[in-house]
Amino acid sequence: AQSVTQLDSHVSVSEGTPVLLRCNYSSSYSPSLFWYVQHPNKGLQLLLKYTSAATLVKGINGFEAEFKKSETSFHLTKPSAHMSDAAEYFCVVTQTGDSNYQLIWGAGTKLIIKP
Amino acid sequence: DAGITQSPRHKVTETGTPVTLRCHQTENHRYMYWYRQDPGHGLRLIHYSYGVKDTDKGEVSDGYSVSRSKTEDFLLTLESATSSQTSVYFCAISGAAQGPTDTQYFGPGTRLTVL
Repeated sequence: AQSVTQLDSHVSVSEGTPVLLRCNYSSSYSPSLFWYVQHPNKGLQLLLKYTSAATLVKGINGFEAEFKKSETSFHLTKPSAHMSDAAEYFCVVTQTGDSNYQLIWGAGTKLIIKP
Repeated sequence: DAGITQSPRHKVTETGTPVTLRCHQTENHRYMYWYRQDPGHGLRLIHYSYGVKDTDKGEVSDGYSVSRSKTEDFLLTLESATSSQTSVYFCAISGAAQGPTDTQYFGPGTRLTVL
């Protein structure tokens, strides 16, 4: 069965410094992986997704993530944090070609931006 | 933004009463999902639909039922609400091409409180 682990429940960085949100997954098949963002009291929005094309995936708002099969990781990064990045981020895994339409969500990482 | 609405947006009810939440889409997407979001758990899939009258259980389906009589509407019913079902409920949709590996678009959420 597939699973996803977000290694930090909270990450705090200063504005203008790099952001790293860590995600590890397990999957029996070729996974599809996503990062979603949820701003306070708002809905969920897709940041980026990996579906077996390029391993370095670029998303919206300057975020990117790299799929590393050998490490079973899909960490989210951004070179320079902005105050508007403060939100909760979710890593999601599913599997391609499986008729069981289960998506597994990580518990989330709250990103705090210090001025 | 994808055309997804949820109703009601907020509801307070008492233990033992039935509750129905509605998700309505204007995108003609094949797949629809109901999730619940609780602190520390990310999103957990309750039920999903892969077509009219085609539904299946998700990770946390006990105590919930769903119906989809037409493409645009997906109803979630709590037959007899319990306090453990106090949560924020999100509806999501995805396109026909790849089902769960497609991007999911989320509704604004319904905050349900069971007293």
